[in-house]
Amino acid sequence: DADVTQTPRNRITKTGKRIMLECSQTKGHDRMYWYRQDPGLGLRLIYYSFDVKDINKGEISDGYSVSRQAQAKFSLSLESAIPNQTALYFCATSGEPGGYTFGSGTRLTVV
Amino acid sequence: QKEVEQDPGPLSVPEGAIVSLNCTYSNSAFQYFMWYRQYSRKGPELLMYTYSSGNKEDGRFTAQVDKSSKYISLFIRDSQPSDSATYLCAIQEYGNKLVFGAGTILRVKS
Repeated sequence: DADVTQTPRNRITKTGKRIMLECSQTKGHDRMYWYRQDPGLGLRLIYYSFDVKDINKGEISDGYSVSRQAQAKFSLSLESAIPNQTALYFCATSGEPGGYTFGSGTRLTVV
Repeated sequence: QKEVEQDPGPLSVPEGAIVSLNCTYSNSAFQYFMWYRQYSRKGPELLMYTYSSGNKEDGRFTAQVDKSSKYISLFIRDSQPSDSATYLCAIQEYGNKLVFGAGTILRVKS
């Protein structure tokens, strides 16, 4: 099994729909992150969590929310999807200090 | 000014060339320096990790950090078509989150 598993891998949804992206990790790390990646813009941080009771906004949190259900699980929700949220979404986990381990990504298209 | 600046490329080189990828940063509190490689439709994977000035070598890859100039580099010797990917630098302050560069697209032509 992968260290960081994201579901779904691909998703097409309609404008205005609520959608949840899920992430689970087997690294045993406390820290988890959600990023979106757009061509030419690199990785931008949406939300991060340093432990189960700690949730923090990143640089582009508007229109998104998260839930940290357990040390191993961190989900990202789009309450009302809009087309400019079409992007590649990555979940990651890390120890401290240390490199991040990324999931394989969710390709989300909002039509 | 972004905390980490990285030329997005694309950078196209012939097979066997030496590749130099670079980033500059502005925050002198950064202590940990990393390079990630991302293949198309995949998540980034950690390639090199260092926390001190100087060079660190791993096979064909060398990471170089110059804290006085706030400049980091990744060198790839004898580049191969399989090295074609996006390379992201990432820098971290202790206890804080990573800051990523925008990524440089590298194409190695056979």
